[in-house]
Amino acid sequence: SQQGEEDPQALSIQEGENATMNCSYKTSINNLQWYRQNSGRGLVHLILIRSNEREKHSGRLRVTLDTSKKSSSLLITASRAADTASYFCASSGWSNTGKLIFGQGTTLQVKP
Amino acid sequence: EAQVTQNPRYLITVTGKKLTVTCSQNMNHEYMSWYRQDPGLGLRQIYYSMNVEVTDKGDVPEGYKVSRKEKRNFPLILESPSPNQTSLYFCASSFQVPGELFFGEGSRLTVL
Repeated sequence: SQQGEEDPQALSIQEGENATMNCSYKTSINNLQWYRQNSGRGLVHLILIRSNEREKHSGRLRVTLDTSKKSSSLLITASRAADTASYFCASSGWSNTGKLIFGQGTTLQVKP
Repeated sequence: EAQVTQNPRYLITVTGKKLTVTCSQNMNHEYMSWYRQDPGLGLRQIYYSMNVEVTDKGDVPEGYKVSRKEKRNFPLILESPSPNQTSLYFCASSFQVPGELFFGEGSRLTVL
């Protein structure tokens, strides 16, 4: 399977805590992206990190990328109940087809 | 408002009855793509289109057709639906390749 893997599959935390999700991918990438999906809804793009970047921030989101380990992590700081959703990493290769290879996702529950 | 619009959002049909899921984007994106999302299998690309009249197969194209006659529209056609095409379908578009994808809200299809 080409799909990436995410860890953990499910995460439950209290509001205010930080949430960390990890992603591994299999092939050389041009960039890696993170998406959020509320139950049964469309995916929403959160952040994109290019292969020559190691860390990127956007608001309460921090993404790291380690191309030597083919892994990435997403950190959500000071979580809120509204952050409850599934989070997917998606790797984009160099083939120029635009295809994203999605991980299986991490389901995050933030308890108020 | 920038968006990708899919219709229908929900559909129950029977085996063999041709159906079309429409997709339209108002962002003047050249790249469009269809994905299906299934439990345990994640998101998999069905077809993609780099521009008008340019389409190509993704990872799971069997049983599907697409067309791209206009830049804004990218319909997904199931000529003879079968129960294994029961899934949640997403249309997505992108300004550049590779880049972030803008997803529609999804079309939940059940084939009996």
